[in-house]
This record gives sequence, C-alpha cells and structure tokens, in this order.
Amino acid sequence: NAGVTQTPKFQVLKTGQSMTLQCAQDMNHEYMSWYRQDPGMGLRLIHYSVGAGITDQGEVPNGYNVSRSTTEDFPLRLLSAAPSQTSVYFCASSTSTGGTNSPLHFGNGTRLTVT
Amino acid sequence: GDSVTQMEGPVTLSEEAFLTINCTYTATGYPSLFWYVQYPGEGLQLLLKATKADDKGSNKGFEATYRKETTSFHLEKGSVQVSDSAVYFCARSNDYKLSFGAGTTVTVRA
Repeated sequence: NAGVTQTPKFQVLKTGQSMTLQCAQDMNHEYMSWYRQDPGMGLRLIHYSVGAGITDQGEVPNGYNVSRSTTEDFPLRLLSAAPSQTSVYFCASSTSTGGTNSPLHFGNGTRLTVT
Repeated sequence: GDSVTQMEGPVTLSEEAFLTINCTYTATGYPSLFWYVQYPGEGLQLLLKATKADDKGSNKGFEATYRKETTSFHLEKGSVQVSDSAVYFCARSNDYKLSFGAGTTVTVRA
C-alpha cells in the first residue's frame, strides 16, 4: 500500500527560484492538505482541498499555490522561494472533509532548504 | 482562535518509567481531540482519538481522556519502551482542519 507519496524527499533552492512539491494518494481520499513543520511551532496548515477542483487557504498560505485537478494529486507550488520557507512540508489526506473525525494519513515529508 | 497547548520538551525517561504529556485546548465548539506520533524520519500517524467529553482513547498502551471541565487531553503510558522515542503532537478538530500543538520530543533510554 503506497498511501501518501511525497516527492522529492529533499530539496535545496536559491532565493527567488520556483518549484513544485508533489503529493499523490491512492486511497481515493476526498480531503487533502499541506502542512509545514517548524521547530517549536508544530504543524501549520498552508492549503487544503475537499475534493477535485476545490481548494482553500489555511493559516499560512502566502507564497504558495495549489491546484486539485484530480482526486489523487495535490501539488504545492512555491512561486518565488524565500529563506522563511525553509521547513519540512507534509501532505496529508483523509476520507472525510477536514479529517476531523477520520484520521489524517501523512506522507513522509519534504525537507526544503532555501539559501 | 482555536488552539492547542502542550507541555514543552524534550522529555527523557528510562525504560519502564511512567510518561505523561500534558495537553490543553481552547473550548470553542465541540472538537474532537487527537494524539499523533512522529517517529524519526517519518510523517505523523494517528495514535489515538476521542470525539466527545469523557471518551477515553487508547492504543499501544497509551491512553488519553477527553476532559471537558479542564479542557485537557493528557497522554499517559504506564511503562515506556525505547521504541516509544518519538515526537508526540496533540491536536483538536476545527472546521476543515486540525490545529496542532508544538510537539513534545520524548527520548526513552534503555
């Protein structure tokens, strides 16, 4: 069972570069989300989607774009990377909207460094 | 806004010691409460949950009780093992997302 797959695992960018973090799930989950994890701050929601064609902002959306053209994929785009975006990024999915009563299934993360 | 506060770490214990990680949450609405665990190099995975007041979640020897009167959801385990070394996150539901605490790093020494 693949579950939630994130690529790449590691990435180094220079300030101003753009890139896309990939996330795919094979569980037919409607809900998908992106979190960033920073020391001492827990996980903060960047964007989420309750189904194909529907996306919305979380707590810290600035500097990131998402799209949801299929149920399986939920890529996260960094438009112009900044050092403040150095973090570990997690994609998560769930059967129900919001994952509030169904568990979130997390990928293994992408560690991004912006120099 | 809705938030979760959990005790700061790191916490270092010997094998077979008792573990408690405190967690409190803001009391707006009727949230579900969760504990997630993150092992080194991995994503988070659900450890246990409780969906209403006085519910007790349990898994792998861990327990937590949803206490509405004290807005708490403390995690406990009676006898920890080296394999319990991980980062533990308390979380509460909030509309379309979960609000996570900052995480508590637990290290268990043999």
